[in-house]
Amino acid sequence: GDSVTQMEGPVTLSEEAFLTINCTYTATGYPSLFWYVQYPGEGLQLLLKATKADDKGSNKGFEATYRKETTSFHLEKGSVQVSDSAVYFCALRPLSAAGNKLTFGGGTRVLVKP
Amino acid sequence: EAQVTQNPRYLITVTGKKLTVTCSQNMNHEYMSWYRQDPGLGLRQIYYSMNVEVTDKGDVPEGYKVSRKEKRNFPLILESPSPNQTSLYFCASSADRAQAQYFGPGTRLTVL
Repeated sequence: GDSVTQMEGPVTLSEEAFLTINCTYTATGYPSLFWYVQYPGEGLQLLLKATKADDKGSNKGFEATYRKETTSFHLEKGSVQVSDSAVYFCALRPLSAAGNKLTFGGGTRVLVKP
Repeated sequence: EAQVTQNPRYLITVTGKKLTVTCSQNMNHEYMSWYRQDPGLGLRQIYYSMNVEVTDKGDVPEGYKVSRKEKRNFPLILESPSPNQTSLYFCASSADRAQAQYFGPGTRLTVL
C-alpha cells in the first residue's frame, strides 16, 4: 500500500542554519504531496504542496520539489529561525483512495536554538 | 475566521464510559475526517465523510463511530473506550477531495 517515510528526529539546529528533512514515498501513479507543520499545542497547518512531478511547492522560505524519479519530496529552508521549531509531517494523497484521506509520515521534530 | 473547532480539548476518562468528541467547521466544506496521532506513527485516518449522511471507514476505524447529520458537524463517538484509544485526535475538513485539509486544534484523550 501507499506509505511515507521521513527522517526521524529530533533535528537540532542553530539559528540561520540550513534545514533539510528527507521524505520518500511509495505510491501508485502520481499522488499529490504535502508538507504540514505542527507548532507546539496546535493542530496541523498546510505548509506547501505539489501535485505533479517536478512541481516545486514553496511557502515561508520553505521549499520542496516533487521528484518522481527518486519518489522524494524533501523539505528545505536556507536559514531557519527559532520560530521554525515544530514537528513537520510529509504526507501524500493516494490517487486511488476515496474521500480525502492523507497518508502521513511519522513526523520530524525540529528544534532551532538561538 | 475560517476554522475547525473541536471539543473538548482535553479529556480523561475510564474504560467503558461512552464519550463524544465534537467537531465543527464554518467553511461549508464537503469533506471531513478524523485522525489519531500516535508517536512515531504520524496521523492515521479513522473515518471520513464526503457529505451529509455519507461516511466511510479509514485505516483504523475499530472502536469508533461517526455521524454526519449536518454539513458543519462530524462528531466522533467512542461507545466503550479502552486504554489503547489513548491518543491525540484531530478533525479535518476540505472543500473537496483535491483541496488541502484544514485541521482542528486537537483533542488529547486519556483512557484509564
